[in-house]
Amino acid sequence: EAGVTQFPSHSVIEKGQTVTLRCDPISGHDNLYWYRRVMGKEIKFLLHFVKESKQDESGMPNNRFLAERTGGTYSTLKVQPAELEDSGVYFCASSTGRRNSPLHFGNGTRLTVT
Amino acid sequence: GNSVTQMEGPVTLSEEAFLTINCTYTATGYPSLFWYVQYPGEGLQLLLKATKADDKGSNKGFEATYRKETTSFHLEKGSVQVSDSAVYFCALEESGGYQKVTFGIGTKLQVIP
Repeated sequence: EAGVTQFPSHSVIEKGQTVTLRCDPISGHDNLYWYRRVMGKEIKFLLHFVKESKQDESGMPNNRFLAERTGGTYSTLKVQPAELEDSGVYFCASSTGRRNSPLHFGNGTRLTVT
Repeated sequence: GNSVTQMEGPVTLSEEAFLTINCTYTATGYPSLFWYVQYPGEGLQLLLKATKADDKGSNKGFEATYRKETTSFHLEKGSVQVSDSAVYFCALEESGGYQKVTFGIGTKLQVIP
């Protein structure tokens, strides 16, 4: 089966611009998560979708970040306007949600804001 | 809140050396514990896990034992290889809830021939 796919793998934008990251989970996985690793820090939870609904968005840094999962398939994470501190690696993960089912992570999108 | 503490590294070892990466955690309840690994250019992969006290997770020669009394989950391998060079993340997941994982800072391991 295809794994979790993230696009783009790397994005370089200027402060104030907009960037949209995309995540395609494994087919059939209702649960989709976004995480972020800022340079030198821990990987932090951003939010969690169950199908198209936001189950938990307690980790979203501020209202410049907007995540969607229309139709319950792929998800997008938009940053508008981007700030320097948004630089980092954004990981997406998916799972079936069944007990003891593993999380499958994508390769991440490295975002650099200059 | 939950937290995971691990040595930041980098850790540099010669091939066939013994590896220990320490990990301690703070959590309410009875979390599951994990080690994830990120090889260069790749995403996070689950290396091993333990779901209750005294469980030992093992995979690819790596082992870690869930120690509730010391709130630890140290990663060990008896003889590392160059191919083990990667970043290792200790993590926990609260019991009974969704897979909201708390990660440590990651330890970069470099194994030299």
